[in-house]
Amino acid sequence: QKEVEQNSGPLSVPEGAIASLNCTYSDRGSQSFFWYRQYSGKSPELIMFIYSNGDKEDGRFTAQLNKASQYVSLLIRDSQPSDSATYLCAVNRWQGGKLIFGQGTELSVKP
Amino acid sequence: DGGITQSPKYLFRKEGQNVTLSCEQNLNHDAMYWYRQDPGQGLRLIYYSQIVNDFQKGDIAEGYSVSREKKESFPLTVTSAQKNPTAFYLCATTGPNNEQFFGPGTRLTVL
Repeated sequence: QKEVEQNSGPLSVPEGAIASLNCTYSDRGSQSFFWYRQYSGKSPELIMFIYSNGDKEDGRFTAQLNKASQYVSLLIRDSQPSDSATYLCAVNRWQGGKLIFGQGTELSVKP
Repeated sequence: DGGITQSPKYLFRKEGQNVTLSCEQNLNHDAMYWYRQDPGQGLRLIYYSQIVNDFQKGDIAEGYSVSREKKESFPLTVTSAQKNPTAFYLCATTGPNNEQFFGPGTRLTVL
């Protein structure tokens, strides 16, 4: 079992819809959770991070964390073609520790 | 203008050559990381350093070497022992919330 797993996709949604990206992790002691966006040929850029169970909203993005079920998700509301990218989930076991990355989910938003 | 710079952007290596990738940061961050990304894959950790003059192997360190003589600099050498070095190489630092910030990357191709 991989430490951090994501659906590889591609996930295709129409413009204006909600895109839902999911990530599961195996280490129950994981502390911090991060979502990155990576455009083709570019480096990853941080979207948001979450530490506590529940939802965290930032603009059109909402991260959801459920530690009991060991999953974290990212919702993108009102999806735009410019959101088309690969989304990487990363998990950190302890403060100052290494990030473990999932393999990424490719999202395509169709006009 | 704070950030992480990597050079060169593109690098071509002949068989049997050692090449060095540069990573510089002016964010005053202590920890620095090197990742490798292959097409359609997530990030794999090569080496990391949490303090000057100290570094640790990541998951795929064989065929690579690093140094950390200054806080601002963490160069990566890809040696001839690395048999399949063609990949996208990313340098990162760690911010105050344990999030990682990435440089623009170096794309290495073996001729």
